[in-house]
Amino acid sequence: KAGVTQTPRYLIKTRGQQVTLSCSPISGHRSVSWYQQTPGQGLQFLFEYFSETQRNKGNFPGRFSGRQFSNSRSEMNVSTLELGDSALYLCASSSERPSYGYTFGSGTRLTVV
Amino acid sequence: GDSVTQMEGPVTLSEEAFLTINCTYTATGYPSLFWYVQYPGEGLQLLLKATKADDKGSNKGFEATYRKETTSFHLEKGSVQVSDSAVYFCALSVQGNTPLVFGKGTRLSVIA
Repeated sequence: KAGVTQTPRYLIKTRGQQVTLSCSPISGHRSVSWYQQTPGQGLQFLFEYFSETQRNKGNFPGRFSGRQFSNSRSEMNVSTLELGDSALYLCASSSERPSYGYTFGSGTRLTVV
Repeated sequence: GDSVTQMEGPVTLSEEAFLTINCTYTATGYPSLFWYVQYPGEGLQLLLKATKADDKGSNKGFEATYRKETTSFHLEKGSVQVSDSAVYFCALSVQGNTPLVFGKGTRLSVIA
């Protein structure tokens, strides 16, 4: 059974640019959540999608957005990148709801210069 | 709001030592509790979980018991190995569709 796949693994972007990250969940999983991980703030919840609808949203500015497709694959987009957006972005999938437990991808390491 | 507090790290132990990583929580409902582990350069892996009071989760020699009276879910292992060196995260999710809330993580280093 394939795991959660995130692409790309590494990205370097310049301030002001935008970036799109991709996540393919485990087959059959309909819930996809995104987290930002930094040394100072730890793991912070960005948003969760379930059956193409945003079900939960964290406290991030509107520059952070996401979507989910009919095959449950998800993308997140960050516009007008800032230096502070440098982080590991983790995608996690769950069969129905987060309380069942997540399976995480390996993450995308974003560096903003 | 819901929150998780873990003991500060880093924790450094010799091989075969006993491990305890403390975790306490605050939740508005009756949460499910989790321990995740993160090895260098990787995402998080589910280590164990418990869904109701007095449940014991166990995996790979690690154990944690859901203690409602003390709102705790401490992680223990009787004899650690060098390969257990990683960052450990305690997390909760209140029943339903709420996202997992994670603690700050505890870095464990095991030396031979």
